[in-house]
Amino acid sequence: DAGVIQSPRHEVTEMGQEVTLRCKPISGHNSLFWYRQTMMRGLELLIYFNNNVPIDDSGMPEDRFSAKMPNASFSTLKIQPSEPRDSAVYFCASRSSGNRYSNQPQHFGDGTRLSIL
Amino acid sequence: DAKTTQPNSMESNEEEPVHLPCNHSTISGTDYIHWYRQLPSQGPEYVIHGLTSNVNNRMASLAIAEDRKSSTLILHRATLRDAAVYYCIPLYNQGGKLIFGQGTELSVKP
Repeated sequence: DAGVIQSPRHEVTEMGQEVTLRCKPISGHNSLFWYRQTMMRGLELLIYFNNNVPIDDSGMPEDRFSAKMPNASFSTLKIQPSEPRDSAVYFCASRSSGNRYSNQPQHFGDGTRLSIL
Repeated sequence: DAKTTQPNSMESNEEEPVHLPCNHSTISGTDYIHWYRQLPSQGPEYVIHGLTSNVNNRMASLAIAEDRKSSTLILHRATLRDAAVYYCIPLYNQGGKLIFGQGTELSVKP
């Protein structure tokens, strides 16, 4: 079975550039989550979608970050303009659920390692 | 949100059982307890979850205290591949969100 697919696996870019991270959830899953992991702050939830609708974006650090889910099989996390402090590993996860409070496990991708110079 | 306390690190020998503790004294009555682990350079991986009674699956067992203020993840025979950071996460009233703490870094010696 194909798991959650993230691209690119690694991204190195200069500050000020726009960065777009992509995620393909597991087919049939209707909840999608974006996380960020750094040494200082650990794993943080940025935003999550249920049935393609953003439910909670309280973890999005600032207006430079935006996320979209145009359909059930694709999501993007965009940073514009990027800054060195955005350097982190970004994970996408998906989950099958009947409602937003589901106990179903989340399945994570392998992450995108982002370095902003 | 329910707060959790886990030891920062633990060490085990290969093929021996490992008991990973977690205190969650502020857990509400409807919060399930989830465990995830993160192997080096990988995304987190679901391990097990439970509410009140003990749970078993192919990866591990979960023992939940009667007062639900603590739980223990049990790996029956540790292997080198089990070296990872293990996270204990109370769930449900957070809208299905996983709030990761610092976790326990488990190292396994051959």
